[in-house]
Amino acid sequence: QQPVQSPQAVILREGEDAVINCSSSKALYSVHWYRQKHGEAPVFLMILLKGGEQKGHEKISASFNEKKQQSSLYLTASQLSYSGTYFCGTEWTSGSRLTFGEGTQLTVNP
Amino acid sequence: GAGVSQSPSNKVTEKGKDVELRCDPISGHTALYWYRQSLGQGLEFLIYFQGNSAPDKSGLPSDRFSAERTGGSVSTLTIQRTQQEDSAVYLCASSLSWGGRSSYEQYFGPGTRLTVT
Repeated sequence: QQPVQSPQAVILREGEDAVINCSSSKALYSVHWYRQKHGEAPVFLMILLKGGEQKGHEKISASFNEKKQQSSLYLTASQLSYSGTYFCGTEWTSGSRLTFGEGTQLTVNP
Repeated sequence: GAGVSQSPSNKVTEKGKDVELRCDPISGHTALYWYRQSLGQGLEFLIYFQGNSAPDKSGLPSDRFSAERTGGSVSTLTIQRTQQEDSAVYLCASSLSWGGRSSYEQYFGPGTRLTVT
């Protein structure tokens, strides 16, 4: 079953913060986050494992709430380069396929 | 080092023809994935390989779609008797491994844009 992402789209001004959510109806083993710019391939951002710690680098971080079967991606002090479509991918058991959400389109304006 | 490569980058074919799409994963990556992305849509899982075997083929849309991987490296996705609804970008990804106590990031290729006329 496909995870549900929200919001579907968000528009920010440079320097503003954003949160993207990813929810599953099934228990999760891991959550992956990827960003895809227009006309390009998706690029890996981070993985969160069941029982693992919150991950992050620079101004992008993420959390994984196993009880709620939900992950959130936090973008702080957004930059123009953050624009793109963000996908979460969920893995139900170790080694199973990754099922992606429909994506969240993020636009950062000057 | 080299990333995931795919060929051709673009393919225009007539309805009813067969097409072959190729994926060359990152050297040493044992897991390989195929996805389909229609315009403005998400990533639709098709199939994945662990080595040369495909434990999950459930994403293949119909029996017109097949894929193989040889030598634990290159993979080919074949679509027989193409239909207009097959038009999409076909993305391949590879990862270092699979399963165990971890999960592995996927590295995507640039994709093959397939147009069926």
